Amino acid sequence: AQKITQTQPGMFVQEKEAVTLDCTYDTSDQSYGLFWYKQPSSGEMIFLIYQGSYDEQNATEGRYSLNFQKARKSANLVISASQLGDSAMYFCAMRYNFNKFYFGSGTKLNVKP
Amino acid sequence: GAGVSQSPRYKVAKRGQDVALRCDPISGHVSLFWYQQALGQGPEFLTYFQNEAQLDKSGLPSDRFFAERPEGSVSTLKIQRTQQEDSAVYLCASSLSGGSPEAFFGQGTRLTVV
Repeated sequence: AQKITQTQPGMFVQEKEAVTLDCTYDTSDQSYGLFWYKQPSSGEMIFLIYQGSYDEQNATEGRYSLNFQKARKSANLVISASQLGDSAMYFCAMRYNFNKFYFGSGTKLNVKP
Repeated sequence: GAGVSQSPRYKVAKRGQDVALRCDPISGHVSLFWYQQALGQGPEFLTYFQNEAQLDKSGLPSDRFFAERPEGSVSTLKIQRTQQEDSAVYLCASSLSGGSPEAFFGQGTRLTVV
């Protein structure tokens, strides 16, 4: 069974500081994709970043980077220089065989001014 | 359209009523997914289409739930005889093809069954 674990229900970070959101996953598949989505209060799931299981380098997208440690089965999201607009729910997800996504339970990030 | 569009954004249904939720995927996107998100939880998979073919419906919680995508574009999720436990946000997502890893989500339909 595929499983995504996010152990931080809520996080606080000071504006302009960096924050790491944790994600671990469990799969016996060799080929899979790892994703992070942001869900603001409006409800839409916004795609942030993707890491393929065979990608050797960590993915980066602007202020977002994914700290991928395959042996430890972790895919932590790092947000640098936090902004007030980063306050939202963040979901880690896994997809394999280009089929359905499995989502974690989410982390609520609050950025303090 | 520019993004995935879902309608209605909000729906209040009396218990026992039938509802239909609509999803307009991004033009040209082959794959379409429906997810159910209960309050404070992550989305849970319901069903998946590739074009008009429903390839996976393993997440549909009961036979009261039915989804279709007859022309491989717009999809409708129908819930018959709604019950209170059906109250959730229903999210639709689409992706370009089987070779495209990321999926793009709509804003969801918040269903409240009273």
